[in-house]
Amino acid sequence: EAGVAQSPRYKIIEKRQSVAFWCNPISGHATLYWYQQILGQGPKLLIQFQNNGVVDDSQLPKDRFSAERLKGVDSTLKIQPAKLEDSAVYLCASSPLTGLGEKLFFGSGTQLSVL
Amino acid sequence: QQQVKQSPQSLIVQKGGISIINCAYENTAFDYFPWYQQFPGKGPALLIAIRPDVSEKKEGRFTISFNKSAKQFSLHIMDSQPGDSATYFCAASTTGKLIFGQGTTLQVKP
Repeated sequence: EAGVAQSPRYKIIEKRQSVAFWCNPISGHATLYWYQQILGQGPKLLIQFQNNGVVDDSQLPKDRFSAERLKGVDSTLKIQPAKLEDSAVYLCASSPLTGLGEKLFFGSGTQLSVL
Repeated sequence: QQQVKQSPQSLIVQKGGISIINCAYENTAFDYFPWYQQFPGKGPALLIAIRPDVSEKKEGRFTISFNKSAKQFSLHIMDSQPGDSATYFCAASTTGKLIFGQGTTLQVKP
């Protein structure tokens, strides 16, 4: 079974630039999550989708972050404009169940450096 | 109230020893408590999980102990091996939202 695919693997940008991350979840998984993991900290939930609807985006800085899930499958996370404090690993995860906090499968993440 | 507090921040154990990582929570609505293991450059992977209706769950060398009244749970790694060297995260979930602890970096010395 293929895992959660994320790209790019690394991204370096300057502050105030924009950046986008892509995620392809495990086939058939209804729930998709984006987490932000700052160095030395635990992952922090940014947004949770169930199929193509948003379940929770309370922690998403909506003035600069946006996310969408196309046709309930792939998802993109965008930052515009980026700030220095956005430097982190952005993890995508998917779950086969209906958002009950059961087993999450994580991708390897996109490491973002904002200079 | 949504926080999950994890300790210690780092841990060094000799090969064959027992590694113990502790977590505490406040929100009594949490109903699922997983532990994730993360290697450098990889995403976290589910290791073991427990629900609050049981006090202990064991899978191989990994055991979760759960104390509902104290709102604490812990991960025990028996016979720790160098391959167990990784960062471990406890987490707690309610309504599908998973809250992670700050992580414990475990180093198992040969």
